Amino acid sequence: DVKVTQSSRYLVKRTGEKVFLECVQDMDHENMFWYRQDPGLGLRLIYFSYDVKMKEKGDIPEGYSVSREKKERFSLILESASTNQTSMYLCASSLLGQAYEQYFGPGTRLTVT
Amino acid sequence: KNQVEQSPQSLIILEGKNCTLQCNYTVSPFSNLRWYKQDTGRGPVSLTIMTFSENTKSNGRYTATLDADTKQSSLHITASQLSDSASYICVVSGAAGNKLTFGGGTRVLVKP
Repeated sequence: DVKVTQSSRYLVKRTGEKVFLECVQDMDHENMFWYRQDPGLGLRLIYFSYDVKMKEKGDIPEGYSVSREKKERFSLILESASTNQTSMYLCASSLLGQAYEQYFGPGTRLTVT
Repeated sequence: KNQVEQSPQSLIILEGKNCTLQCNYTVSPFSNLRWYKQDTGRGPVSLTIMTFSENTKSNGRYTATLDADTKQSSLHITASQLSDSASYICVVSGAAGNKLTFGGGTRVLVKP
């Protein structure tokens, strides 16, 4: 079974702090994705990566950056957290060319106060 | 603009009853459509996936239908159980299956 894990289930940070969200997958997937999920808006793609050190902007990349130094690990970085970044963050992975078959992690609920 | 609209936004049903969730999409070209179940505080888990040529796909008490002509899909839950309480998300893949458009989800609450 594919396993996608995220470093924290719940996180509370202050405005202006730098925040790191970590995601690890164990199925040797090339693709990894970061989404945020807000009530009524569904999942929105922030960034994705199709290879180590490669990244592509999604629909809402502003205020975020990512890092992929190893194939199994994809990090989402909030350079200076703001209250409008309070959300549920979901990481997913898939094989290259099979982005329609994504496996999701459990999510991190981030609250920025 | 590619869009996926789900209805209703939420519904409450009694245990043992059936219900149907709707998904309308404008994604073009179309590759496939997937229904996910997301329990509270967890990541989405795939229930069914259908390509253009498939009309119906079942997974236990869950049955998904697809009408590619009208760009509509439905998810039918039969004999609901308390564990069916969750959000159900419709996701449509565009060209080559690599561009996903997510619906806003339908929150289902099953009451005893």
